[in-house]
Amino acid sequence: GEDVEQSLFLSVREGDSSVINCTYTDSSSTYLYWYKQEPGAGLQLLTYIFSNMDMKQDQRLTVLLNKKDKHLSLRIADTQTGDSAIYFCAEAGNNRKLIWGLGTSLAVNP
Amino acid sequence: DVKVTQSSRYLVKRTGEKVFLECVQDMDHENMFWYRQDPGLGLRLIYFSYDVKMKEKGDIPEGYSVSREKKERFSLILESASTNQTSMYLCASSLQGAFYEQYFGPGTRLTVT
Repeated sequence: GEDVEQSLFLSVREGDSSVINCTYTDSSSTYLYWYKQEPGAGLQLLTYIFSNMDMKQDQRLTVLLNKKDKHLSLRIADTQTGDSAIYFCAEAGNNRKLIWGLGTSLAVNP
Repeated sequence: DVKVTQSSRYLVKRTGEKVFLECVQDMDHENMFWYRQDPGLGLRLIYFSYDVKMKEKGDIPEGYSVSREKKERFSLILESASTNQTSMYLCASSLQGAFYEQYFGPGTRLTVT
């Protein structure tokens, strides 16, 4: 069945790069998404990548897609304390549903 | 800016009560969604609606119903609240042509005692 997996925790120092990884199972997925949830808030869409792309860059965010390995990553350059949040990977599944990972909690230490 | 608002941030109800959670979006989005978020289980879709008076079941519709009488408003109804419905409830909306680009409200933390 469809499944999205992420590591649960990541801790980095302020100013370093963060890399959050995700694996998915459905090779027919057309779009893959990264959402961010700050403490006490709802989710916000950060970025997404179409399945025929390898990479997408948007300011400090870089998304890499390895379709062969079904591996998606989100790199945050120059990580700041304001980047502390839970990051969700999601794939566009069948039947108009997003298949969500459990989220990676990013802690940024000063 | 798209704004999705939910009627309450925190709600405490008793077992057996009928509970209404309201969600309003101000960007004329066709699609609206209700999720619940639980530790270790992530986000699970309860119901979604792609048009006024239209609805589809998500992954966990049991014990819930929904109502969409106006385009901007999507209500989640717990017919008879139970303790296992204690959760964070998130509403979201999206445009018809961008179904998966969802805008979320701040959430309602519901406690059923």
